[in-house]
Amino acid sequence: DAGVIQSPRHEVTEMGQEVTLRCKPISGHNSLFWYRQTMMRGLELLIYFNNNVPIDDSGMPEDRFSAKMPNASFSTLKIQPSEPRDSAVYFCASRPYPSLTYEQYFGPGTRLTVT
Amino acid sequence: KQEVTQIPAALSVPEGENLVLNCSFTDSAIYNLQWFRQDPGKGLTSLLLIQSSQREQTSGRLNASLDKSSGRSTLYIAASQPGDSATYLCAVNVGFSNDYKLSFGAGTTVTVRA
Repeated sequence: DAGVIQSPRHEVTEMGQEVTLRCKPISGHNSLFWYRQTMMRGLELLIYFNNNVPIDDSGMPEDRFSAKMPNASFSTLKIQPSEPRDSAVYFCASRPYPSLTYEQYFGPGTRLTVT
Repeated sequence: KQEVTQIPAALSVPEGENLVLNCSFTDSAIYNLQWFRQDPGKGLTSLLLIQSSQREQTSGRLNASLDKSSGRSTLYIAASQPGDSATYLCAVNVGFSNDYKLSFGAGTTVTVRA
């Protein structure tokens, strides 16, 4: 069974450029999360969706960040324009909703470097 | 706001020694607690999940305990091996209205010396 798939795995871009990160959740999971991990702030929840609907976007840093989930098998996180402080590892996770445990399954992450 | 603290931040032990990793959380109204492992440059792998009604969970050499009323969980790893070297993250599932999200600790980085 394929786990959560993220692409690209590594992204290097220049300040001011648009960056799009992609995620495919585990088949059958109808809840999807975007996290950001940095040394300074640890793992932070940016936004999550249930049944393709954004439920909580309070962690999105600012208007430069946007996330969409056009269907049950695909989500994007977009940063426009990117800044050096956006450099981090971005993780996507999915889970069934509702469930007995609400256990989340994480993808391998996308390492973003903005120069 | 739920705050999750992990102590110590780093730990180095010789091979064969038992590991004890601590996690504390400020709000005891949790749904469950998960322990994750993260290898350098990799994603998170779930190790154990303890429901709020449970006191402990075991998987092989791993045992996790939960004392919800005091806001504490401990992960024990018996007879440590160099392959156990990684960062271990604790996360509590909190929420309302039949939906929950994870709050993470900063992690404990473990080094097991051969």
